[in-house]
Amino acid sequence: GAVVSQHPSRVICKSGTSVKIECRSLDFQATTMFWYRQFPKQSLMLMATSNEGSKATYEQGVEKDKFLINHASLTLSTLTVTSAHPEDSSFYICSARDLSGGFNKGNTIYFGEGSWLTVV
Amino acid sequence: GNSVTQMEGPVTLSEEAFLTINCTYTATGYPSLFWYVQYPGEGLQLLLKATKADDKGSNKGFEATYRKETTSFHLEKGSVQVSDSAVYFCALSLTNAGGTSYGKLTFGQGTILTVHP
Repeated sequence: GAVVSQHPSRVICKSGTSVKIECRSLDFQATTMFWYRQFPKQSLMLMATSNEGSKATYEQGVEKDKFLINHASLTLSTLTVTSAHPEDSSFYICSARDLSGGFNKGNTIYFGEGSWLTVV
Repeated sequence: GNSVTQMEGPVTLSEEAFLTINCTYTATGYPSLFWYVQYPGEGLQLLLKATKADDKGSNKGFEATYRKETTSFHLEKGSVQVSDSAVYFCALSLTNAGGTSYGKLTFGQGTILTVHP
């Protein structure tokens, strides 16, 4: 079964509203999670690195005030798209790194199922 | 900087044909290499990975060998099935000298594979 869970899987919101996407690691603690964005028929681009208990690290060109990231616990990171616009419609996906269990398992990066956001 | 380049798609094959999807990379340090698959309407699933030079990753009949001399990680499968139709992403993650991934992934542009009966 999934070890990283995202919610909601699909969301439609009105332009100007905010929407929150959750990313949970289910059976391991993740001090670091990653948020990616995928435009239709394109590759995934890293948006930011979510650090438990501290500020997220954003990639160049990503608006930190628009894409708010909170990593308040070792198993949960949230991405909030504020004042959403139609151009924010995209597929957002998170990943988490499992460092438990020694070298062989400790190199494992798990992805969530992704969240489809449509802003109308 | 780090980058991953995949062969352009889409790739269309008949069932039982041989598949190769080329992937080359540039990276500093000690990259681990991955192939991810994305089925229609779904998230990403790890298909296989290799963490050091000459390692071969394999899963579900797919294979890829980490070639440091050619900076490549080509994906191959001897006999594709209709159910293999998906988008395939090559990716790398930098690791420290001990082999632990830093966690960030750099993806190639993806290759759409369609397999016809």
